[in-house]
Amino acid sequence: QKEVEQDPGPLSVPEGAIVSLNCTYSNSAFQYFMWYRQYSRKGPELLMYTYSSGNKEDGRFTAQVDKSSKYISLFIRDSQPSDSATYLCASTTDSWGKLQFGAGTQVVVTP
Amino acid sequence: ETGVTQSPTHLIKTRGQQVTLRCSSQSGHNTVSWYQQALGQGPQFIFQYYREEENGRGNFPPRFSGLQFPNYSSELNVNALELDDSALYLCASSLFTGINYEQYFGPGTRLTVT
Repeated sequence: QKEVEQDPGPLSVPEGAIVSLNCTYSNSAFQYFMWYRQYSRKGPELLMYTYSSGNKEDGRFTAQVDKSSKYISLFIRDSQPSDSATYLCASTTDSWGKLQFGAGTQVVVTP
Repeated sequence: ETGVTQSPTHLIKTRGQQVTLRCSSQSGHNTVSWYQQALGQGPQFIFQYYREEENGRGNFPPRFSGLQFPNYSSELNVNALELDDSALYLCASSLFTGINYEQYFGPGTRLTVT
């Protein structure tokens, strides 16, 4: 069983809608949580990172971590067609960043 | 400031051969990590180098090896290639932010083993 589980999608939403993405994890030692965006044939791009539990907001993006339920979420408000990509959640136990990734969720935002 | 670069972009090898992939870190980054991403999957951690020393390894066999050079560039070597080694190989460089090592990925090298 993978340490980080993520629904692969695809998740299709109309432009302007809120995109809601989720991951669950099994390793209680995870302390750092990231969301990456990956366009086709490109490397992952860091979107958000959170340390321990809590919320973090950056523009249209909000990341949430609930360590009690081992649940990670990413919300994208006012979605745009340019947000169409694969979104990867990742976690690690220490600050060195040896990341454990989920499988990624493909998001399609239709005009 | 230049980002992380990798070479080659893609290559095709035959089962049993050896391959070397290269990565140039983002300026000033002293830590580099390598990941393998199979089609439709998330990246899997192979190993990490900090100041030319291995600093952790994932669940990969010894035929996966690496090097980091004094200028913090890095190589990933894979011996005795197998068909399952076909994947996108990603390099990520990082620098301590005061809280953690945020990783910045290169575009990857796509390896096909036939």
